Order: sequence, then C-alpha cells, then structure tokens
Amino acid sequence: QLVLTQSPSASASLGASVKLTCTLSSGHSSYAIAWHQQQPEKGPRYLMKLNSDGSHSKGDGIPDRFSGSSSGAERYLTISSLQSEDEADYYCQTWGTDWVFGGGTKLTVL
Amino acid sequence: EVQLVETGGGLIQPGGSLRLSCAASGFTVSSNYMSWVRQAPGKGLEWVSVIYSGGSTYYADSVKGRFTISRDNSKNTLYLQMNSLRAEDTAVYYCAKTDDYGDYVNYWGQGTLVTVSS
Repeated sequence: QLVLTQSPSASASLGASVKLTCTLSSGHSSYAIAWHQQQPEKGPRYLMKLNSDGSHSKGDGIPDRFSGSSSGAERYLTISSLQSEDEADYYCQTWGTDWVFGGGTKLTVL
Repeated sequence: EVQLVETGGGLIQPGGSLRLSCAASGFTVSSNYMSWVRQAPGKGLEWVSVIYSGGSTYYADSVKGRFTISRDNSKNTLYLQMNSLRAEDTAVYYCAKTDDYGDYVNYWGQGTLVTVSS
C-alpha cells in the first residue's frame, strides 16, 4: 500500500535551515512526490515536484531558499534562511491508483 | 495568471445536498486534469475526486456514489455535486489544477467550508 510518512512537527531558528522528511512506503522508493505549503488559515500552495533522483521543478514564484533532494525512499524539503512566514504546515503528495497525502509536518520558526 | 475561486459552501443538514463551484481563469479547465481535495477541521489533506481532460472521473471510496465531479466548458468552471451528506464530510473543500498527467496539484484554490450539522 502506498503511504507517505511525515514527522508531525519540526522547529528551527529564524535565519537557520531546516530539512523536512517524507518517507515512501516499502516498494515505492522510485516514486516522485510533490511538496505543498499551507500557512495558517490559508489554502495550500504548491512548492515543487521532487523526483527520485533528486531533480525537482518548482512552482511559480517559489524562492530559491526552498530546495528538494532524495535518498532511497526519503524525500526531503530543505528551507534555508528561515523567515517567519515559513512557519506553516508542509505536506507531501504522491500518486498511484489514487492520490496520497502525507500527514503533514508543522514547522515552527523560533 | 492561474486563479481558482471556489464558492457554494455553507451549513447543511445531514442527508442534504450541496453543489460547489470553482471558477477558473488563466487556463482552460476542459484541457486539464482537475481535482477536489478536502481538509477536515484540524486535519490533513484528503483527495476527493478528479476529472480528466477526456472526461473520465474518479472518486475516493469515502465519497463514491454520493459525490459527482463535472465541468462546464462554456463557463470554464468545475463543480462538485455532494449528495447524502454526512457529518464526516465537514471540511474545507479545495479546487485544484494538476500537472499535465494528473499526478499532482500545481495550483490550489482558497477553499470553501462545508459544515454538515443538524
């Protein structure tokens, strides 16, 4: 069964970097995913598509501070030079017979 | 610029019906894969339904037989007809445009809240 697993929470200091992880279930390590950001009280925003080889394509207007990488079944979202507006929920999404979303990671900027 | 604007949400009694609309601009709905995704209060995202550019439709098991996705090409608008609503359908419903293959969302609407309660 295709499942995406994310840690419920993460935190990092203003100006620092943080790496969020999305893990694909066994047997699905070749799958691409998409990352989405949801700021408080707002709709989600597409950040990027991330392939298994680490190549990624970002959505319109997404800053260079956001980047993606991959290792095995792990898909990463790295945010550098953290700003207060980066405090948000981050969801990964993939696709098979249906769409699947991870449970989301709530990022707190200290 | 791609824009998606949902309307039609509100308070509805269990067993009732509601139709959500999503007015699109900046692209042609009928040429793209379009989806509905929902988010229950305090919860994560859940895919609801998709309509392919060719017209095929698919649904999550939780709404199959109760919800219908459709589009009006002349109005460049996507719809979600929701029947036999249950308390567990309470959520913000987002309209979403997908990539060319229907694999992932690349544009989101702002959402419309549906509350099913007596």
